[in-house]
Amino acid sequence: DVKVTQSSRYLVKRTGEKVFLECVQDMDHENMFWYRQDPGLGLRLIYFSYDVKMKEKGDIPEGYSVSREKKERFSLILESASTNQTSMYLCASSLNPGNSPLHFGNGTRLTVT
Amino acid sequence: GQSLEQPSEVTAVEGAIVQINCTYQTSGFYGLSWYQQHDGGAPTFLSYNALDGLEETGRFSSFLSRSDSYGYLLLQELQMKDSASYFCAVGRNSGNTPLVFGKGTRLSVIA
Repeated sequence: DVKVTQSSRYLVKRTGEKVFLECVQDMDHENMFWYRQDPGLGLRLIYFSYDVKMKEKGDIPEGYSVSREKKERFSLILESASTNQTSMYLCASSLNPGNSPLHFGNGTRLTVT
Repeated sequence: GQSLEQPSEVTAVEGAIVQINCTYQTSGFYGLSWYQQHDGGAPTFLSYNALDGLEETGRFSSFLSRSDSYGYLLLQELQMKDSASYFCAVGRNSGNTPLVFGKGTRLSVIA
């Protein structure tokens, strides 16, 4: 079974802090994704990566960056956290970007105060 | 751009059948997926349709009509544990670009 692990389940940060959300997958998937989930808005893609050191912007990349130094690890970085980034963050991995199942982590609920 | 429409909420009785519809507008359509998410949990993959027709997996079935840009998820013999949010998602461009998700349908199963 694919396991996608997000390092923190809950996180509270202050406005202006730099925040790192870590995600690790154990199935050797090349494709990894960061989504943000807000009530009534569904899942929105922030960034994705097809391979090590490769990244592509999703639909809402502003205020975020990512890092993929190793195949199994994909990090989401909030350069200067703001209150409108309070949300549930979901990491996922898959064999193919758009036609094979996404395997999600359990999510990180981030609160920025 | 692309858009997906699905009802925000559906309520159904235990033991009944419920259908959750999804209409989409997108270029380069490749396939339609469905995901289930229980409160506090991660979304999990349910089904995928690339071709027109019905795909059945146990109590769950998914249907696609490419000509109508429409699909649905059918849940039979509803159980209380089926109470969850259900998301449709479109794949595009031969599956080489990430899925785009709908806003989700919250299904409440009542006794």
